[in-house]
Amino acid sequence: EVQLLESGGDLVQPGGSLRLSCAASGFTFTNYAMSWVRQSPGKGLEWVSVISRSDGTTYYADSVKGRFTISRDNSRDTLHLQMTSLRAEDTAIYYCAKGGLPGDAPGEDWGQGTLVTVSS
Amino acid sequence: EIVMTQSPATLSVSPGERATLSCRASQGVRSNLVWYQQRPGQAPRLLFYRASTRATGIPARFSVSGSGAEFTLTISSLQSEDFAVYYCQHHNNWPWTFGQGTKVEIK
Repeated sequence: EVQLLESGGDLVQPGGSLRLSCAASGFTFTNYAMSWVRQSPGKGLEWVSVISRSDGTTYYADSVKGRFTISRDNSRDTLHLQMTSLRAEDTAIYYCAKGGLPGDAPGEDWGQGTLVTVSS
Repeated sequence: EIVMTQSPATLSVSPGERATLSCRASQGVRSNLVWYQQRPGQAPRLLFYRASTRATGIPARFSVSGSGAEFTLTISSLQSEDFAVYYCQHHNNWPWTFGQGTKVEIK
C-alpha cells in the first residue's frame, strides 16, 4: 500500500523559511515523479512543483519560482520542499503527490497534507 | 498557461439522481486530463486519468467523455459518499493547472 506522510508544516512569520518532508513507502520511490500541491484555506488546488523520477528535472509554479526548491533523497525515499521568503499567500495545506507511469496521472496517490501558516 | 474552467460551480442533486460536470480547457490538452474527487477534510482522490481511464477502485457509476478541450464527468446515480468537490486538471504542458472545482451538494 502506498503511503505518503508529510511533515514540517508550522506557523512561520512572513519572510521566514520552512522545510517540508514527505516520507514515502509501499512503492519503489525512484520509479516515480513526485510533486507538491497546495490548497489555500477554502480555495482550490495549485500544483506547486514536480521533480522527475530519474534526472532530477524540476518545474515550479510562477508563484513560488526562486523561493521554493523541491528535492528528493532516493536513499531515504523522501521528498522535500524548501520554502524561503514566505508570504501570507503561501498559507495552505501542502500535499505530497506520487505520479503514475509516464503519461498517466501526475497525482496518482496523495498524502494527507501538512499545514503551513504564514502570519505575524 | 492553460486555463481550466469547470461548470457549474455548484450542483445540487438528490441522491439517486444523475450529475453531469463539465470541464473546458482554454486550448487542447489531448488526453492529458485528470479528474479528482475531494471530500471535506480529505486529500484529493484520483478518479480518471488519460482523460478516460478509470482509476483503481472507482465505481462504474462514474464515467467520463470528451477529448481535446471539452470534457465531462458523469455520476449516474449519486450515492451519499459522492457529495464532494470534483476537480479537473491538465498535465499537457507546464504549468499544470486545475479547474476551480464543482461542488456536488445534496439537494
